[in-house]
Amino acid sequence: SQQGEEDPQALSIQEGENATMNCSYKTSINNLQWYRQNSGRGLVHLILIRSNEREKHSGRLRVTLDTSKKSSSLLITASRAADTASYFCATDGHADYKLSFGAGTTVTVRA
Amino acid sequence: EPEVTQTPSHQVTQMGQEVILRCVPISNHLYFYWYRQILGQKVEFLVSFYNNEISEKSEIFDDQFSVERPDGSNFTLKIRSTKLEDSAMYFCASSPELARQETQYFGPGTRLLVL
Repeated sequence: SQQGEEDPQALSIQEGENATMNCSYKTSINNLQWYRQNSGRGLVHLILIRSNEREKHSGRLRVTLDTSKKSSSLLITASRAADTASYFCATDGHADYKLSFGAGTTVTVRA
Repeated sequence: EPEVTQTPSHQVTQMGQEVILRCVPISNHLYFYWYRQILGQKVEFLVSFYNNEISEKSEIFDDQFSVERPDGSNFTLKIRSTKLEDSAMYFCASSPELARQETQYFGPGTRLLVL
């Protein structure tokens, strides 16, 4: 299985602080994507990083990818209460159509 | 901005009943997917669909499940005889190209409760 696994499982931070979460996976990938899910709601796509990329930015989000370590990190800078959500990494393999999701990191941003 | 839409948002059914979950993918997308998320668990892949046929399916997607694209816009998931363990959030997704090349865009989900 190439499922991503996020670390930590839960994270609680103060508004304005940065939040970092990590994702590890097992097999080679084409892309790694990060999604956000607010409680009981749908999955919102945040960012896609391809296997030949090492870092990508989108607004307050920074994603890194280290294919040698089979890991990725998502950094949210200057967090806001609205960032409170679960964050999932999802990978797709060379021969797969499907995305494999990790268990997610639940982020709570305290006002 | 185009979105994937799903109906209904919530569905309650009795065990053994058939349910049909509906999705309208983004209009110029070619690949369609169903995933599910049992409460508190990971999002799991069910099936992918391209060119009017299933391109890949998981072990979860057994004979009680079927998918159809009945017209140019809708994409449906049918569960023939629901079980208690089918209770979950079901997400439809679409992408313009293969998953390995492009983002999959997810709908808001249908929460299915089987009693």
